[in-house]
Amino acid sequence: EAQLVESGGGLVQPGGSLRLSCAASGFTFSTYWMSWIRQAPGNGLELVANIKSDSSEKYYVDSVKGRFTCSRDNAENSLYLQMNNLRAEDTAVYYCVGFGARVYWGQGTLVTVSS
Amino acid sequence: DVVMTQSPLSLPVTLGQPASISCRSSQSLVYSDGNTYFHWFQQRPGQSPRRLLYMVSNRDSGVPDRFSGSGSGTDFTLRISRVEAEDVGIYYCMQHTQWPHTFGQGTKLEIK
Repeated sequence: EAQLVESGGGLVQPGGSLRLSCAASGFTFSTYWMSWIRQAPGNGLELVANIKSDSSEKYYVDSVKGRFTCSRDNAENSLYLQMNNLRAEDTAVYYCVGFGARVYWGQGTLVTVSS
Repeated sequence: DVVMTQSPLSLPVTLGQPASISCRSSQSLVYSDGNTYFHWFQQRPGQSPRRLLYMVSNRDSGVPDRFSGSGSGTDFTLRISRVEAEDVGIYYCMQHTQWPHTFGQGTKLEIK
């Protein structure tokens, strides 16, 4: 059974940093585009970063460009999101999502940016 | 950015009755390869979203056949032929024809 497990969320002050991790299993991770999608409390979905299967292409939504960096390690079946200079508006549940023949979602990890 | 506009945003439905959700995009979602990269997602209360339909009208594995999708270009529709209690949740359309990939605002389906 395919599974994505996020970790690394928590409470951080504005301007701080966090690194989210996502461990994948049960599917061929190395062939999937991977994304980080966030959902602010009570709000809809926003795709913040995309990374191609071989890391050759990366895309970021304008609001996180220059602050967030997405990376992956196919040997470890892992996806990462380095988040720097965090702002209150980055507060959300962050989902790790795999797009391929099927779409797999993690359970999400909550990031709260507050002083 | 491609703006995805859903309607209605709230959808009360009687059990066993049909339901329909519309999604309109601000630009054509037909990619240069001729494909339309448009999906529908369902998010049940307290759960992560899951994809229901991909490329406009193709059901994902395990999705009941009461769910169907149609449309082209900029206008798309999700239909549920007979709503069941397990269909309660928020439905999102999404395009990944053009970066940034964008979602609609969501349509909350509830039982009357």
